[in-house]
Amino acid sequence: DAMVIQNPRYQVTQFGKPVTLSCSQTLNHNVMYWYQQKSSQAPKLLFHYYDKDFNNEADTPDNFQSRRPNTSFCFLDIRSPGLGDAAMYLCATSRTGGYNEQFFGPGTRLTVL
Amino acid sequence: AQSVTQPDIHITVSEGASLELRCNYSYGATPYLFWYVQSPGQGLQLLLKYFSGDTLVQGIKGFEAEFKRSQSSFNLRKPSVHWSDAAEYFCAVGAQKAAGNKLTFGGGTRVLVKP
Repeated sequence: DAMVIQNPRYQVTQFGKPVTLSCSQTLNHNVMYWYQQKSSQAPKLLFHYYDKDFNNEADTPDNFQSRRPNTSFCFLDIRSPGLGDAAMYLCATSRTGGYNEQFFGPGTRLTVL
Repeated sequence: AQSVTQPDIHITVSEGASLELRCNYSYGATPYLFWYVQSPGQGLQLLLKYFSGDTLVQGIKGFEAEFKRSQSSFNLRKPSVHWSDAAEYFCAVGAQKAAGNKLTFGGGTRVLVKP
């Protein structure tokens, strides 16, 4: 089945220690998104890629970076995680066009000690 | 700027009873509207979407939603709830953004199902 895969499902890191979360897709969608979802809150868009074009949200902290080496993979890098960055991180993909739904991965739950 | 309001934070419903989740949106143009469901610790799954045509939209798992432009609403309904419907439900409005689709989510409604 075509799908969005996120690894790892659970990640524990230490305060200030860089961490990378991974997302891959078999849907061949050209748009990939990263969301942050804190407990009991709605997902919040951090940034998205249209092909190799990176689109950052205005309020996304500089601490968050992303890479998309090819169509299938996208990475979320947190350079210096703080306690406030503990959250579920969701990757999603879509075709181009505002009416196309986004397909979500299962998420990576990040714990910061 | 677009926004979505889900007035009910929690809803408790008995198994077999009907369910209606409210969603109100604010958007300047014709909206792209979505309902997603999220089970605990999982990603979001699309239930249904609306962007044009028939204002009553059928989705998966027996859900439907009705778009009412005059009320800026897109309420989700299910005639008979199953225990497996216990989850969090998010309404979202989409807008074209740099060839992607920026979703703005409502705060979510958590549904509890009583046996």
